[in-house]
Amino acid sequence: NAGVMQNPRHLVRRRGQEARLRCSPMKGHSHVYWYRQLPEEGLKFMVYLQKENIIDESGMPKERFSAEFPKEGPSILRIQQVVRGDSAAYFCASSPSPDTEQFFGPGTRLTVL
Amino acid sequence: KQEVTQIPAALSVPEGENLVLNCSFTDSAIYNLQWFRQDPGKGLTSLLLIQSSQREQTSGRLNASLDKSSGRSTLYIAASQPGDSATYLCAVSKNNFNKFYFGSGTKLNVKP
Repeated sequence: NAGVMQNPRHLVRRRGQEARLRCSPMKGHSHVYWYRQLPEEGLKFMVYLQKENIIDESGMPKERFSAEFPKEGPSILRIQQVVRGDSAAYFCASSPSPDTEQFFGPGTRLTVL
Repeated sequence: KQEVTQIPAALSVPEGENLVLNCSFTDSAIYNLQWFRQDPGKGLTSLLLIQSSQREQTSGRLNASLDKSSGRSTLYIAASQPGDSATYLCAVSKNNFNKFYFGSGTKLNVKP
């Protein structure tokens, strides 16, 4: 059973471009969480999704950020019109049910030039 | 809002020592507490999950305890090894949605 997969592992974008980060949860896991780790800071919750539903997006910036977890395919975190402050490591986690152990992917390190 | 604090921020010990990492949280109404390790430039590896009804969990040389009433958890590492060098993170969730609040971590260096 492969672990949580994230791609790309590293992403470089220029200011104003769009960034799309993908997360494939572990097999059998239908709950996906996105976290952001800014340089020299701890991980911060962004959004919690189940298949086709956003359950809690209280940690998402109000503008430019969106997330989805379609019926088929990976979960996508989309950042429009990136700015330098978006440079961070973005981690995805999955779990088989919402109250059990979370398993993390290796992260996507976004650099905005 | 839940605040999670980890002390110390960094720790350097010689190989073979037993050590304790501390985690405290401001809101004792937690659902789960999970300990992770993070290696430089890598993702998080789950170590132990303690549910709110439990007081401790053990896995190999690791033992984690939870005292909800005082808002504390400790991670005990026995007979430390250089391979244990990493940043250890504590995270707590408030309800069964498992939205985790993370501490800033303890960076552990085990010297050969």
